[in-house]
Amino acid sequence: EADIYQTPRYLVIGTGKKITLECSQTMGHDKMYWYQQDPGMELHLIHYSYGVNSTEKGDLSSESTVSRIRTEHFPLTLESARPSHTSQYLCASSEIGTTGTGELFFGEGSRLTVL
Amino acid sequence: DAKTTQPNSMESNEEEPVHLPCNHSTISGTDYIHWYRQLPSQGPEYVIHGLTSNVNNRMASLAIAEDRKSSTLILHRATLRDAAVYYCILFTGNQFYFGTGTSLTVIP
Repeated sequence: EADIYQTPRYLVIGTGKKITLECSQTMGHDKMYWYQQDPGMELHLIHYSYGVNSTEKGDLSSESTVSRIRTEHFPLTLESARPSHTSQYLCASSEIGTTGTGELFFGEGSRLTVL
Repeated sequence: DAKTTQPNSMESNEEEPVHLPCNHSTISGTDYIHWYRQLPSQGPEYVIHGLTSNVNNRMASLAIAEDRKSSTLILHRATLRDAAVYYCILFTGNQFYFGTGTSLTVIP
């Protein structure tokens, strides 16, 4: 069973609000990721980190920001939420190396609805 | 550009084998092939991965074509709990690239 947790699981907020989606893992993994997934669609990488103080943008442009001050914690923030941000956000971590062995562990996701 | 191509949906009868195909014609020599599945309202979970040789684990088998341009995930006996979206993924450039996945329906 994966030890990666996301909060909140569900969030409904109004336009213009600032929100932070929390993601924590207790496996000591260096690599962490945020994916965005619309209903019935594929996952798109929006942010990733290879360790403390490392953050990079993924393939899908996102107005969100992330930080990695501690190994176990990788929060995602939206400064001013809009209806277009309505989606499911999935956090993952791994110890996978450049050889491609290993696996991604996903949290259960945070489903965000912006009214 | 999608790096993997899968059928949108497939059906299988319970307790019968299921073969889920995936095309990855642009795969490079160092790209690993991963399969994950996503149950409703959950994050994806790891199923299996391989590079060149066929692989077996307790969940499934992975058959990789000799030219590596396609692969097949094999569930030996489908159960109702196997109903999910199955993603064929290339691990390339230190990143996972998810395709649109195949939605598997298991018929009792």
